[in-house]
Amino acid sequence: NAGVTQTPKFRILKIGQSMTLQCTQDMNHNYMYWYRQDPGMGLKLIYYSVGAGITDKGEVPNGYNVSRSTTEDFPLRLELAAPSQTSVYFCASTTTRGGGEDTQYFGPGTRLTVL
Amino acid sequence: QKEVEQNSGPLSVPEGAIASLNCTYSDRGSQSFFWYRQYSGKSPELIMFIYSNGDKEDGRFTAQLNKASQYVSLLIRDSQPSDSATYLCAVIGAAGNKLTFGGGTRVLVKP
Repeated sequence: NAGVTQTPKFRILKIGQSMTLQCTQDMNHNYMYWYRQDPGMGLKLIYYSVGAGITDKGEVPNGYNVSRSTTEDFPLRLELAAPSQTSVYFCASTTTRGGGEDTQYFGPGTRLTVL
Repeated sequence: QKEVEQNSGPLSVPEGAIASLNCTYSDRGSQSFFWYRQYSGKSPELIMFIYSNGDKEDGRFTAQLNKASQYVSLLIRDSQPSDSATYLCAVIGAAGNKLTFGGGTRVLVKP
């Protein structure tokens, strides 16, 4: 049981490039989330999904896209990377709405730099 | 007004003392409240969750919730240098489908 895995761990992009951050969980969780965390700040929700085929915007969705074709995978797509997207990206999952024992399990994060 | 607010710190406490962290939230219908610990360069890990008004204790940690005043706090007793980290408050709002995080409070425990 690997929990939540994210790839890559680190990435440097040039302005205007695109990339996909991968997130996979093996706990059969319905709910999955993408957050970004800027230096010294809390986590901001980008997108979330309550199940395969269902996604919704969070607090800061502009410049990102997601898809959820399977329960296990929730990739985050960055189109036309900008320096403002330099951040650490965390993927998380939970079985229900994130309450109680069904806590959110976080992946190790992807550190992205856009130059 | 931010949905979840925390003092950014740093909160400096001597080893063995009690660290007291506070968090206020704006959504009066919020249902569930969480405290996460995050070491530098690492992902957040859950310390405590609380649903009901009052205190909840788990080892050296005590979470306190006051829904009428819309605040939740975390007490760390017998603080250790290993408790030095950023503590994130998170809230599930009335909609019930996502966590909203505060900006975190950095805690430094000095030997």
